[in-house]
Amino acid sequence: SAVISQKPSRDICQRGTSLTIQCQVDSQVTMMFWYRQQPGQSLTLIATANQGSEATYESGFVIDKFPISRPNLTFSTLTVSNMSPEDSSIYLCSVGSRETQYFGPGTRLLVL
Amino acid sequence: AQKITQTQPGMFVQEKEAVTLDCTYDTSDPSYGLFWYKQPSSGEMIFLIYQGSYDQQNATEGRYSLNFQKARKSANLVISASQLGDSAMYFCAMTQKGGSQGNLIFGKGTKLSVKP
Repeated sequence: SAVISQKPSRDICQRGTSLTIQCQVDSQVTMMFWYRQQPGQSLTLIATANQGSEATYESGFVIDKFPISRPNLTFSTLTVSNMSPEDSSIYLCSVGSRETQYFGPGTRLLVL
Repeated sequence: AQKITQTQPGMFVQEKEAVTLDCTYDTSDPSYGLFWYKQPSSGEMIFLIYQGSYDQQNATEGRYSLNFQKARKSANLVISASQLGDSAMYFCAMTQKGGSQGNLIFGKGTKLSVKP
């Protein structure tokens, strides 16, 4: 199974600022996925990050708000830009194969 | 449109008993995967079990088994011999239509509470 780490584990930010979340995997993977879990809600896919190409965003998510980098096969970042209280969520990255999908420990973000 | 439905917002089970968490899905894609995850209060998502749409047998992983009824489009999770540590949110998920691995849609979850 893949070992996934995320930084920071949690943060409290002021509205209007930006936060970059890092995701590191212990093995090379083609695709990495970013999810959001709003308080008391289920998980929603934000985007798919492929190494060497632009990320693919799901409906309702845009690059200007959630820019993603994928500089190599073990690392990705998600930036939450111009934050508002509605961005308070857990952000999780995920990797896997057809039969297994593993998630990182998540980043708990609170926007004041 | 693809959809995952978990109709039980909360469930209680006595320690050492078995419990079934319901999950139904809707898809027109003949090939899909179904997953169950456990999310304790710490927030991490723990992978429990996977069932492929073409798998002939129900998946099992230790105390977890997946009751897959393809015609009914249901993929219920059965936890045997419940333990206090099983208290958590449980999410059912499915690969999205045309999506590669990792592109999952999730149900709303079921909160399981195990009573001593």
